[in-house]
Amino acid sequence: NAGVMQNPRHLVRRRGQEARLRCSPVKGHSHVYWYRQLPEEGLKFMVYLQKENIIDESGMPKERFSAEFPKEGPSILRIQQVVRGDSAAYFCASSPKNHNQGTGAGNTEAFFGQGTRLTVV
Amino acid sequence: AQSVAQPEDQVNVAEGNPLTVKCTYSVSGNPYLFWYVQYPNRGLQFLLKYITGDNLVKGSYGFEAEFNKSQTSFHLKKPSALVSDSALYFCAVRAGDTGRRALTFGSGTRLQVQP
Repeated sequence: NAGVMQNPRHLVRRRGQEARLRCSPVKGHSHVYWYRQLPEEGLKFMVYLQKENIIDESGMPKERFSAEFPKEGPSILRIQQVVRGDSAAYFCASSPKNHNQGTGAGNTEAFFGQGTRLTVV
Repeated sequence: AQSVAQPEDQVNVAEGNPLTVKCTYSVSGNPYLFWYVQYPNRGLQFLLKYITGDNLVKGSYGFEAEFNKSQTSFHLKKPSALVSDSALYFCAVRAGDTGRRALTFGSGTRLQVQP
């Protein structure tokens, strides 16, 4: 029973290049969340997706960042024209369908991947 | 807006002694509260959660946490610390009934258990 799988674990990009981070949720989970962790800081929410839908992108920078969770395949977080300030650990989490559905229902925890550490040089 | 405060950047405790890692929160409506632990270069591992019911919640590895609604706190505790408990601990909250589904995390507390 594989958990959340993220790849690559480490990614080095030069300024101006594109970074693509992949996340395969726990089998059967239909909700995916992306978080960013800067050094010595907590995790900051970026985006929440369900299959083929972006539900909440209030934490996503307005430019250069995009995310998708297609019907088939992993969720992708894409960062275009990376800058040094994008260097961080990016974590993906997934939860099952009943996560926060209805009033008070959906109380399961989210499961996190091991993260992708992006370094922009 | 929801928020979490972990007032201590680091907590030091001797092995065998009890430990407490503090967390206070702010959220509209009923809170769902979580504790996660992060080991170096690893992802977050779930420890325990409070959704409803008994204010004292027991979780993995002997950890427990007490929900205090009047003080809006959810402190993490363990009766007897182990060296292997040394890690980074995160408290998180989200609104249980309505609002954003994503978790809001505290800044983390580094627990150092000395042998």
